[in-house]
Amino acid sequence: EPEVTQTPSHQVTQMGQEVILRCVPISNHLYFYWYRQILGQKVEFLVSFYNNEISEKSEIFDDQFSVERPDGSNFTLKIRSTKLEDSAMYFCASLWRGGSGGYTFGSGTRLTVV
Amino acid sequence: GESVGLHLPTLSVQEGDNSIINCAYSNSASDYFIWYKQESGKGPQFIIDIRSNMDKRQGQRVTVLLNKTVKHLSLQIAATQPGDSAVYFCAEEPYGQNFVFGPGTRLSVLP
Repeated sequence: EPEVTQTPSHQVTQMGQEVILRCVPISNHLYFYWYRQILGQKVEFLVSFYNNEISEKSEIFDDQFSVERPDGSNFTLKIRSTKLEDSAMYFCASLWRGGSGGYTFGSGTRLTVV
Repeated sequence: GESVGLHLPTLSVQEGDNSIINCAYSNSASDYFIWYKQESGKGPQFIIDIRSNMDKRQGQRVTVLLNKTVKHLSLQIAATQPGDSAVYFCAEEPYGQNFVFGPGTRLSVLP
Protein backbone atom coordinates (compact mmCIF):
# COMPACT_ATOMS: atom_id res chain seq x y z
CA GLU A 1 0.00 0.00 0.00
CA PRO A 2 1.41 3.44 -0.91
CA GLU A 3 2.74 5.45 2.00
CA VAL A 4 3.67 9.00 2.83
CA THR A 5 7.20 8.96 4.19
CA GLN A 6 8.55 11.53 6.61
CA THR A 7 12.10 12.09 7.80
CA PRO A 8 13.50 12.39 10.33
CA SER A 9 11.18 10.69 12.79
CA HIS A 10 12.56 12.79 15.62
CA GLN A 11 14.51 16.04 15.53
CA VAL A 12 15.92 17.96 18.46
CA THR A 13 17.03 21.50 17.77
CA GLN A 14 18.13 24.54 19.70
CA MET A 15 15.83 27.53 19.88
CA GLY A 16 16.57 29.94 17.06
CA GLN A 17 17.91 27.28 14.73
CA GLU A 18 16.45 26.45 11.35
CA VAL A 19 14.93 23.04 10.73
CA ILE A 20 13.73 21.34 7.58
CA LEU A 21 11.21 18.55 7.82
CA ARG A 22 11.00 16.29 4.82
CA CYS A 23 8.16 14.38 3.26
CA VAL A 24 7.75 12.13 0.26
CA PRO A 25 4.05 12.12 -0.66
CA ILE A 26 2.34 9.36 -2.60
CA SER A 27 3.51 9.63 -6.17
CA ASN A 28 0.23 10.22 -8.02
CA HIS A 29 -1.19 12.59 -5.42
CA LEU A 30 -1.64 16.22 -6.34
CA TYR A 31 -2.41 17.98 -3.06
CA PHE A 32 0.00 18.20 -0.17
CA TYR A 33 -0.46 19.32 3.40
CA TRP A 34 1.36 19.96 6.63
CA TYR A 35 -0.42 19.58 9.94
CA ARG A 36 0.96 19.75 13.43
CA GLN A 37 -0.09 18.26 16.73
CA ILE A 38 1.14 19.70 19.99
CA LEU A 39 1.28 17.07 22.72
CA GLY A 40 -2.15 16.50 24.16
CA GLN A 41 -3.91 18.64 21.61
CA LYS A 42 -5.74 18.14 18.35
CA VAL A 43 -4.31 18.01 14.86
CA GLU A 44 -4.04 21.54 13.44
CA PHE A 45 -3.85 22.61 9.82
CA LEU A 46 -0.76 24.54 8.76
CA VAL A 47 -0.66 24.74 4.98
CA SER A 48 -1.89 23.18 1.77
CA PHE A 49 0.04 23.08 -1.48
CA TYR A 50 -1.13 22.43 -5.01
CA ASN A 51 0.32 23.05 -8.42
CA ASN A 52 3.61 24.24 -6.95
CA GLU A 53 2.14 26.95 -4.80
CA ILE A 54 0.49 27.43 -1.43
CA SER A 55 -3.27 27.20 -1.79
CA GLU A 56 -4.20 27.91 1.80
CA LYS A 57 -2.44 28.54 5.10
CA SER A 58 -3.54 28.97 8.69
CA GLU A 59 -2.64 31.74 11.09
CA ILE A 60 -0.07 29.41 12.61
CA PHE A 61 1.85 29.42 9.33
CA ASP A 62 3.59 32.76 9.77
CA ASP A 63 6.69 34.18 8.12
CA GLN A 64 8.89 31.73 10.00
CA PHE A 65 7.41 28.86 8.01
CA SER A 66 7.87 27.99 4.37
CA VAL A 67 7.19 25.02 2.15
CA GLU A 68 8.84 23.79 -0.98
CA ARG A 69 8.52 21.03 -3.51
CA PRO A 70 12.10 21.14 -4.77
CA ASP A 71 11.74 18.17 -7.10
CA GLY A 72 9.07 15.78 -8.24
CA SER A 73 9.01 13.77 -5.07
CA ASN A 74 9.94 15.75 -1.96
CA PHE A 75 7.79 18.22 -0.03
CA THR A 76 9.53 20.13 2.74
CA LEU A 77 8.53 22.32 5.66
CA LYS A 78 11.12 24.81 6.87
CA ILE A 79 11.00 26.66 10.15
CA ARG A 80 13.55 29.47 9.97
CA SER A 81 14.04 30.32 13.63
CA THR A 82 12.49 27.75 15.92
CA LYS A 83 10.75 28.69 19.12
CA LEU A 84 9.99 26.50 22.12
CA GLU A 85 6.32 26.51 21.18
CA ASP A 86 7.14 24.94 17.82
CA SER A 87 7.73 21.66 19.63
CA ALA A 88 5.12 19.30 18.24
CA MET A 89 4.50 16.37 15.94
CA TYR A 90 4.45 17.53 12.34
CA PHE A 91 2.46 15.45 9.90
CA CYS A 92 2.66 15.57 6.16
CA ALA A 93 -0.36 14.39 4.18
CA SER A 94 -1.21 13.98 0.54
CA LEU A 95 -4.43 13.61 -1.41
CA TRP A 96 -5.40 12.63 -4.91
CA ARG A 97 -8.77 14.41 -4.92
CA GLY A 98 -10.19 11.98 -7.37
CA GLY A 99 -12.76 10.76 -4.92
CA SER A 100 -13.34 10.11 -1.27
CA GLY A 101 -10.87 8.66 1.19
CA GLY A 102 -9.35 11.65 2.84
CA TYR A 103 -5.72 12.33 3.30
CA THR A 104 -2.97 9.81 3.64
CA PHE A 105 -0.81 10.88 6.53
CA GLY A 106 2.82 10.15 7.19
CA SER A 107 3.97 8.90 10.56
CA GLY A 108 5.14 12.34 11.55
CA THR A 109 8.30 14.07 12.71
CA ARG A 110 8.55 14.83 16.38
CA LEU A 111 10.23 18.21 16.70
CA THR A 112 11.66 19.12 20.08
CA VAL A 113 12.98 22.65 20.50
CA VAL A 114 15.24 23.12 23.52
CA GLY B 1 6.58 6.52 20.45
CA GLU B 2 4.76 9.82 20.78
CA SER B 3 2.19 9.87 23.54
CA VAL B 4 -0.71 11.73 22.05
CA GLY B 5 -3.60 13.16 23.89
CA LEU B 6 -2.62 12.79 27.54
CA HIS B 7 -5.68 14.75 28.58
CA LEU B 8 -8.17 13.50 26.05
CA PRO B 9 -11.60 12.16 26.93
CA THR B 10 -11.26 8.43 27.34
CA LEU B 11 -13.71 5.69 26.53
CA SER B 12 -13.01 2.31 28.11
CA VAL B 13 -14.80 -0.75 26.77
CA GLN B 14 -14.52 -4.46 27.32
CA GLU B 15 -13.12 -6.51 24.50
CA GLY B 16 -15.96 -7.80 22.39
CA ASP B 17 -18.35 -5.00 23.32
CA ASN B 18 -19.48 -2.32 20.91
CA SER B 19 -17.94 1.16 21.14
CA ILE B 20 -19.57 4.47 20.31
CA ILE B 21 -17.39 7.54 19.93
CA ASN B 22 -19.08 10.89 19.52
CA CYS B 23 -18.06 14.13 17.90
CA ALA B 24 -19.73 17.51 17.69
CA TYR B 25 -18.69 19.49 14.66
CA SER B 26 -18.83 23.23 14.37
CA ASN B 27 -19.49 24.32 10.81
CA SER B 28 -22.94 23.86 9.32
CA ALA B 29 -21.32 24.33 5.89
CA SER B 30 -19.27 21.16 6.29
CA ASP B 31 -20.29 18.60 3.73
CA TYR B 32 -17.71 15.87 4.15
CA PHE B 33 -16.60 14.10 7.31
CA ILE B 34 -13.94 11.54 8.11
CA TRP B 35 -13.06 9.48 11.13
CA TYR B 36 -9.37 8.93 11.70
CA LYS B 37 -7.61 6.52 14.03
CA GLN B 38 -4.26 7.48 15.50
CA GLU B 39 -2.12 4.91 17.22
CA SER B 40 0.76 5.94 19.42
CA GLY B 41 3.70 7.21 17.38
CA LYS B 42 1.83 7.14 14.10
CA GLY B 43 -0.03 9.54 11.88
CA PRO B 44 -3.82 9.61 11.61
CA GLN B 45 -5.21 6.74 9.56
CA PHE B 46 -8.43 6.94 7.55
CA ILE B 47 -11.23 4.74 8.88
CA ILE B 48 -14.46 5.79 7.21
CA ASP B 49 -16.03 8.83 5.63
CA ILE B 50 -19.51 10.19 5.02
CA ARG B 51 -20.93 12.98 2.92
CA SER B 52 -23.63 15.33 4.13
CA ASN B 53 -26.25 13.82 1.81
CA MET B 54 -26.12 10.63 3.88
CA ASP B 55 -26.94 9.92 7.50
CA LYS B 56 -25.33 6.51 7.84
CA ARG B 57 -22.48 4.62 6.26
CA GLN B 58 -21.14 1.22 7.12
CA GLY B 59 -17.75 -0.29 6.73
CA GLN B 60 -16.14 -3.40 8.07
CA ARG B 61 -17.03 -3.42 11.79
CA VAL B 62 -17.48 0.35 11.73
CA THR B 63 -20.51 2.55 11.18
CA VAL B 64 -20.62 6.32 10.98
CA LEU B 65 -23.80 8.21 11.78
CA LEU B 66 -24.36 11.83 10.84
CA ASN B 67 -27.00 14.07 12.37
CA LYS B 68 -26.84 17.38 10.57
CA THR B 69 -29.64 18.88 12.64
CA VAL B 70 -27.54 18.87 15.77
CA LYS B 71 -24.15 18.78 14.01
CA HIS B 72 -23.21 15.45 15.53
CA LEU B 73 -21.14 12.61 14.19
CA SER B 74 -20.61 9.23 15.77
CA LEU B 75 -18.40 6.23 15.11
CA GLN B 76 -19.61 2.82 16.13
CA ILE B 77 -17.13 -0.04 16.35
CA ALA B 78 -18.62 -3.51 16.60
CA ALA B 79 -16.97 -6.23 18.67
CA THR B 80 -14.14 -3.99 19.82
CA GLN B 81 -10.71 -5.61 19.75
CA PRO B 82 -7.45 -4.74 21.53
CA GLY B 83 -6.09 -3.46 18.21
CA ASP B 84 -8.80 -0.82 18.22
CA SER B 85 -7.15 0.96 21.14
CA ALA B 86 -6.12 4.36 19.80
CA VAL B 87 -7.13 8.00 19.68
CA TYR B 88 -10.02 8.67 17.32
CA PHE B 89 -10.53 12.01 15.61
CA CYS B 90 -13.41 13.24 13.57
CA ALA B 91 -12.58 15.73 10.84
CA GLU B 92 -14.95 18.00 8.97
CA GLU B 93 -14.42 19.63 5.61
CA PRO B 94 -16.32 22.83 4.96
CA TYR B 95 -16.94 23.00 1.24
CA GLY B 96 -13.80 24.12 -0.57
CA GLN B 97 -11.74 24.37 2.58
CA ASN B 98 -9.31 22.12 4.39
CA PHE B 99 -10.16 19.57 7.00
CA VAL B 100 -10.64 20.69 10.58
CA PHE B 101 -9.97 18.06 13.20
CA GLY B 102 -11.89 17.56 16.41
CA PRO B 103 -10.14 17.19 19.77
CA GLY B 104 -10.04 13.39 19.77
CA THR B 105 -11.20 10.59 22.05
CA ARG B 106 -8.94 7.89 23.44
CA LEU B 107 -10.43 4.41 23.17
CA SER B 108 -9.07 1.91 25.65
CA VAL B 109 -10.04 -1.73 25.19
CA LEU B 110 -9.99 -3.77 28.38
CA PRO B 111 -9.23 -7.50 28.27
